[in-house]
Amino acid sequence: GESVGLHLPTLSVQEGDNSIINCAYSNSASDYFIWYKQESGKGPQFIIDIRSNMDKRQGQRVTVLLNKTVKHLSLQIAATQPGDSAVYFCAERATSGYNKLIFGAGTRLAVHP
Amino acid sequence: GAGVSQSPSNKVTEKGKDVELRCDPISGHTALYWYRQSLGQGLEFLIYFQGNSAPDKSGLPSDRFSAERTGGSVSTLTIQRTQQEDSAVYLCASSRGQGYGYTFGSGTRLTVV
Repeated sequence: GESVGLHLPTLSVQEGDNSIINCAYSNSASDYFIWYKQESGKGPQFIIDIRSNMDKRQGQRVTVLLNKTVKHLSLQIAATQPGDSAVYFCAERATSGYNKLIFGAGTRLAVHP
Repeated sequence: GAGVSQSPSNKVTEKGKDVELRCDPISGHTALYWYRQSLGQGLEFLIYFQGNSAPDKSGLPSDRFSAERTGGSVSTLTIQRTQQEDSAVYLCASSRGQGYGYTFGSGTRLTVV
């Protein structure tokens, strides 16, 4: 079945450094990917999305890269701030039935001053 | 409303009792999703409603779980004869439809004792 996983369960960075969070997906037919940020006690919050016809998309301080050849997705956060500390999930749109998203296990990002 | 609203925010119940969790999606969003998140884990898909179409129930873990969506808006997730393994955060999300990201509520933390 479809699955999305993450390479690193925990990432620690210094404030001001750039962060890269990686994600692997299994279904080469998936056409839509999203990154979510979840802070403690809150629901996941949409960060950025990308469709399979793109390789890169930029937002404010964040960039998502999609490598369809190796089925890899990454989230880059520039000048990481303490407020970026959270768990980050990648999600893949399932191709089997409707529009449900399949989420990975998550990566915890810890930003140290 | 401005966001997805879930109630209650916390629920403690005795093993064997039934519980109902409520979700108010964003007005005008045609799609509604329920996910379950166990402690330190990713999001597990439960059920998906899209307009008047038959819901995708493929993620419901057992026949003790059911959900309905009345009038295309509010949804309730019902868990009958709760078990300790049902303890988790239950997240609801809505979206404008296929190809759009989700907006999540803050979740209901269910504890079965």
